[in-house]
Amino acid sequence: QQQVKQSPQSLIVQKGGISIINCAYENTAFDYFPWYQQFPGKGPALLIAIRPDVSEKKEGRFTISFNKSAKQFSLHIMDSQPGDSATYFCAARISGGYQKVTFGTGTKLQVIP
Amino acid sequence: NAGVTQTPKFRVLKTGQSMTLLCAQDMNHEYMYWYRQDPGMGLRLIHYSVGEGTTAKGEVPDGYNVSRLKKQNFLLGLESAAPSQTSVYFCASSPWGENQPQHFGDGTRLSIL
Repeated sequence: QQQVKQSPQSLIVQKGGISIINCAYENTAFDYFPWYQQFPGKGPALLIAIRPDVSEKKEGRFTISFNKSAKQFSLHIMDSQPGDSATYFCAARISGGYQKVTFGTGTKLQVIP
Repeated sequence: NAGVTQTPKFRVLKTGQSMTLLCAQDMNHEYMYWYRQDPGMGLRLIHYSVGEGTTAKGEVPDGYNVSRLKKQNFLLGLESAAPSQTSVYFCASSPWGENQPQHFGDGTRLSIL
């Protein structure tokens, strides 16, 4: 049972382009939506996160857009760089759940020069 | 500050053998987690702990046991390894409090022959 659906599975973007990764969830009890970035041979690391009471959050070149009514959220990477090449995971957490999160299946991003 | 340290980094086992994976964190975090990462399936929670001496089942607990005798350590055991347990295992920790991120180790790559 996949509670957080993520697409695409892989993505190739030219340097300077916009990378977009989409996620959808079903459980309306989720109240915190982090994105994690994972480089090869390393563990995931928190990139950016959003709560459902805001529609957008921006940190540098990374932006989360959130659509509560559609139960969808997405990560936009502006001016994508080769150093952004990594696997990205969306996730969702239920309030009071001891910080447990449910992860999406991941998107492998490759930014080519 | 080492963060989350996992031991060993690589291991090859034969079917039926047992082993223990060690996770140590030096951030005084209350919560600790064990995940497995498989291609196309994201990270799935095996077991977690909300404090010293407490453990709970996650999404895929079968075939694994855990212990948290000390706050800084969380052990994952495989009593009788099976090929289906071939995976990359990640440990994470998180402090108590609202919207706290999980901090991950760099993983243990385990192959069961």
